[in-house]
Amino acid sequence: DVKVTQSSRYLVKRTGEKVFLECVQDMDHENMFWYRQDPGLGLRLIYFSYDVKMKEKGDIPEGYSVSREKKERFSLILESASTNQTSMYLCASSPWGLGGETQYFGPGTRLLVL
Amino acid sequence: QQPVQSPQAVILREGEDAVINCSSSKALYSVHWYRQKHGEAPVFLMILLKGGEQKGHDKISASFNEKKQQSSLYLTASQLSYSGTYFCGRCRDTGAGSYQLTFGKGTKLSVIP
Repeated sequence: DVKVTQSSRYLVKRTGEKVFLECVQDMDHENMFWYRQDPGLGLRLIYFSYDVKMKEKGDIPEGYSVSREKKERFSLILESASTNQTSMYLCASSPWGLGGETQYFGPGTRLLVL
Repeated sequence: QQPVQSPQAVILREGEDAVINCSSSKALYSVHWYRQKHGEAPVFLMILLKGGEQKGHDKISASFNEKKQQSSLYLTASQLSYSGTYFCGRCRDTGAGSYQLTFGKGTKLSVIP
């Protein structure tokens, strides 16, 4: 079974803190994705990566950065957390391909920024 | 731009049927469907890769009309286990040998006894 794990289920941070969200997948997938999920807005893509050290902006990259130093690990970084970044963050991975591949999601990290 | 899903929410009694629509203002090359149960991660249902393609999975099936830039998810004889939020995703080739999905806002389906 494909397994995508995220470092924390719940996280509370203060405004201005630097926040790291970690995601690890165990299926040797090339593609990894970070989404945020807010009520009524669905899943919105923040960043994705198709290879080690490669990254591309998604639909809402402002205020975020990412890092992929190893194939299995994809980190989302909030350089200076703000209250409007309070959200559920979901990581996903998929094999390489041009759209016909399933994305496997992690359990999510619910982040609260005070 | 996110695909538009309709309806936003629907309540069914067990055994009833439902249709969830997904339409896009941009070309649809392939469509993904996912279901998310409350408190859980989204789970893959199916992918439709070609215009006109229809797929089925138990009593859940989907169609894809490339010309109309629409996809529909059909749930027949609904069961309590069908409850959840359904998302369609429009697939876009990034040109880097990869792809990204733009998801709709979701349709919340509640099945009651």
